[in-house]
Amino acid sequence: GQQLNQSPQSMFIQEGEDVSMNCTSSSIFNTWLWYKQEPGEGPVLLIALYKAGELTSNGRLTAQFGITRKDSFLNISASIPSDVGIYFCAGGTRGAQKLVFGQGTRLTINP
Amino acid sequence: NAGVTQTPKFQVLKTGQSMTLQCAQDMNHEYMSWYRQDPGMGLRLIHYSVGAGITDQGEVPNGYNVSRSTTEDFPLRLLSAAPSQTSVYFCASRTLAYSTNEKLFFGSGTQLSVL
Repeated sequence: GQQLNQSPQSMFIQEGEDVSMNCTSSSIFNTWLWYKQEPGEGPVLLIALYKAGELTSNGRLTAQFGITRKDSFLNISASIPSDVGIYFCAGGTRGAQKLVFGQGTRLTINP
Repeated sequence: NAGVTQTPKFQVLKTGQSMTLQCAQDMNHEYMSWYRQDPGMGLRLIHYSVGAGITDQGEVPNGYNVSRSTTEDFPLRLLSAAPSQTSVYFCASRTLAYSTNEKLFFGSGTQLSVL
């Protein structure tokens, strides 16, 4: 089946640094989504991307839908302690009724 | 507006026991699904439903049953629990409207341990 490779698996950064993570796939997706999960909670949607090449921002977060439709990137600028959590990418195929999730990137921030 | 509500929050079972994880949503979403989350594996789809009376298998359906008798509820049943089913389980729902098709809303999860 479809698989997403998300990297890096974990990041340890200093407060104020910028963060970059990405997802790649061997399959084409029509939609890319980025979620954040905090301890003891379910994932919460951060950004949804619907067109190849699309660049969308949500505050300090910026995500891009790759031109090939096989990858997506998430950047976080000027990280703050509340950015700690696990970030998941997810790919959707129109009509398939299923989202495929990446393995997650665990972000830890040192104050 | 409660969104997606899962119960219980935590559960410990012995091998061979059965139980039902409850999920309810109050957003009138047609689509509901169950995922399990394991370290390093991300979220894997167990079963999903696109409406009352309609269910289908996801990526890892073995050992789990579901039913959808109402729009609001989508329970997940473990008939004979196994240690391999130790995981965190998430219920998620969304509308089937095209413009927001893939935006899944998640519950807060059920942490299940099978001894």
